[in-house]
Amino acid sequence: AQSVTQPDIHITVSEGASLELRCNYSYGATPYLFWYVQSPGQGLQLLLKYFSGDTLVQGIKGFEAEFKRSQSSFNLRKPSVHWSDAAEYFCAVALLSYNTDKLIFGTGTRLQVFP
Amino acid sequence: EPEVTQTPSHQVTQMGQEVILRCVPISNHLYFYWYRQILGQKVEFLVSFYNNEISEKSEIFDDQFSVERPDGSNFTLKIRSTKLEDSAMYFCASHPGLAGEETQYFGPGTRLLVL
Repeated sequence: AQSVTQPDIHITVSEGASLELRCNYSYGATPYLFWYVQSPGQGLQLLLKYFSGDTLVQGIKGFEAEFKRSQSSFNLRKPSVHWSDAAEYFCAVALLSYNTDKLIFGTGTRLQVFP
Repeated sequence: EPEVTQTPSHQVTQMGQEVILRCVPISNHLYFYWYRQILGQKVEFLVSFYNNEISEKSEIFDDQFSVERPDGSNFTLKIRSTKLEDSAMYFCASHPGLAGEETQYFGPGTRLLVL
């Protein structure tokens, strides 16, 4: 069955440090992959997406992600974290069909940033 | 930039009461969704709606739930007789339905509390 795994429930980094959030997926076909961010009490904001082409994708707020088919991974990275990046991050895969395209989400990774 | 809107932002109701959650998707989008997120858990797909009918629904979406697009702009989720376990954040999403543009845009959510 299709699924998304985010192995890290909670990550703490210092401001200015680099960040990598892990995401692994299980999907039979070419995946459409997304990273969303959710600030406390807020909705889901799209950070970036991968559909095809260049496996390194750039997103908003200085984030990037790399699709690695051989590892079934789509890890999110940022070279230097800011305190405002503290939030919950969700990886998702779209299950495509002609009339639905629903998203399957991972359990999320909560990012805490220390000054 | 167009965005998905949801009303109300918060709703408190008594168990057994009916609630209607409202969403205005981005205009000219063709696919509409409801997801929910129980506190501390991942985002779960409830239902997708395309071409004026439900295209897919999850096991969660039982006979107590219904969706409607009454006037070509609003998209509503009705819970007929709320239960305590319906307490959650409910997100509406839409996507344009264009090939290569299967990105879902989420609203800010409605936090439902059932007492």
